[in-house]
Amino acid sequence: DTAVSQTPKYLVTQMGNDKSIKCEQNLGHDTMYWYKQDSKKFLKIMFSYNNKELIINETVPNRFSPKSPDKAHLNLHINSLELGDSAVYFCASSPQPGVAGEQFFGPGTRLTVL
Amino acid sequence: KQEVTQIPAALSVPEGENLVLNCSFTDSAIYNLQWFRQDPGKGLTSLLLIQSSQREQTSGRLNASLDKSSGRSTLYIAASQPGDSATYLCAVSNDYKLSFGAGTTVTVRA
Repeated sequence: DTAVSQTPKYLVTQMGNDKSIKCEQNLGHDTMYWYKQDSKKFLKIMFSYNNKELIINETVPNRFSPKSPDKAHLNLHINSLELGDSAVYFCASSPQPGVAGEQFFGPGTRLTVL
Repeated sequence: KQEVTQIPAALSVPEGENLVLNCSFTDSAIYNLQWFRQDPGKGLTSLLLIQSSQREQTSGRLNASLDKSSGRSTLYIAASQPGDSATYLCAVSNDYKLSFGAGTTVTVRA
């Protein structure tokens, strides 16, 4: 069974569209994250949720809105997509918010904005 | 703000040689340090996790050391194999998040 899964794996869309990426973890973890990996391969945290509550929001444009319907799911909705949003987006989870435990990553969603 | 640096950016070695990958970080108040492997077009696989109170961790041919006071970690891979070719990422945790280095891309030549 996949521990952290994301859908879709690839997403190609036009500028100005709105799109969503879904993430689910079956590890029973309380904390989930969204990271962005840009073309230079740098991974940066965007958001973190602990038990459905937002605990980290790292200077991300408000066109990005995370939503956590329950602690096993963390979805990312992006409005008015721009060329610079093209990147690979990774979801991750960990047992607790203090990040004292190991983080487990999903396979990534490659977003291409044309 | 935590900054993580990995040196070298790329490394090419013949099969059988030992690999030494370096990671340095600016803020020593960390919870732990994690080494990941990323294959092209794929996600991240966790290799080793060292808690801030530990000095090293070992798993098979992999050994990672941590010197928190000097802000350094080293990943050793013994007797490298072509299957070890990948990008290796170092990440440190503090302030409820992981901060990543840019990675070291390793090529092991058969």
